[in-house]
Amino acid sequence: EDQVTQSPEALRLQEGESSSLNCSYTVSGLRGLFWYRQDPGKGPEFLFTLYSAGEEKEKERLKATLTKKESFLHITAPKPEDSATYLCAVLVYNQGGKLIFGQGTELSVKP
Amino acid sequence: NAGVTQTPKFRVLKTGQSMTLLCAQDMNHEYMYWYRQDPGMGLRLIHYSVGEGTTAKGEVPDGYNVSRLKKQNFLLGLESAAPSQTSVYFCASKKTNYGYTFGSGTRLTVV
Repeated sequence: EDQVTQSPEALRLQEGESSSLNCSYTVSGLRGLFWYRQDPGKGPEFLFTLYSAGEEKEKERLKATLTKKESFLHITAPKPEDSATYLCAVLVYNQGGKLIFGQGTELSVKP
Repeated sequence: NAGVTQTPKFRVLKTGQSMTLLCAQDMNHEYMYWYRQDPGMGLRLIHYSVGEGTTAKGEVPDGYNVSRLKKQNFLLGLESAAPSQTSVYFCASKKTNYGYTFGSGTRLTVV
């Protein structure tokens, strides 16, 4: 069964304290891995797409990386405005284009 | 602005009442999806559509029906609402091999 697991469930950081969020997956055929940011009361907002192992994408303080079994979202010198829930999802072959989501990591950055 | 629009944004229903949630997208996307999001459960797929006139069941379809009569619209119906259907509902659309664009959500409470 295709599965996506994110860890930790919640992460509290001080402003400037770098860290990483993990997304591990077991799927039958990966077509792409997606990272989303979700603020309270809003819909998920697209951040990155990764398609093959070794690929990296960056946006401001965020960098996403992909291996054959997991993806990391690295947050460098976070600011309070980075506080949100970060969702990982995979696109799998023969699944009607559906994304399979992890449970998310709730990030809180304190000043 | 282009994107996915959901109506209504909030709704309170009494048990047994019916309602329809509307999702409209103006990006000419083929694929559309309805998810529900509950605390600790993540995003769970209710129904989806791979094109105009087509629908398919997702992970949690019971108690819901959908229709995709026009490419740009995807309707989610609750025939007889139950308290277990209290949730935040998200609609999303996508192109092949791309990630989702989400709507801002509908917060539904069934009392």
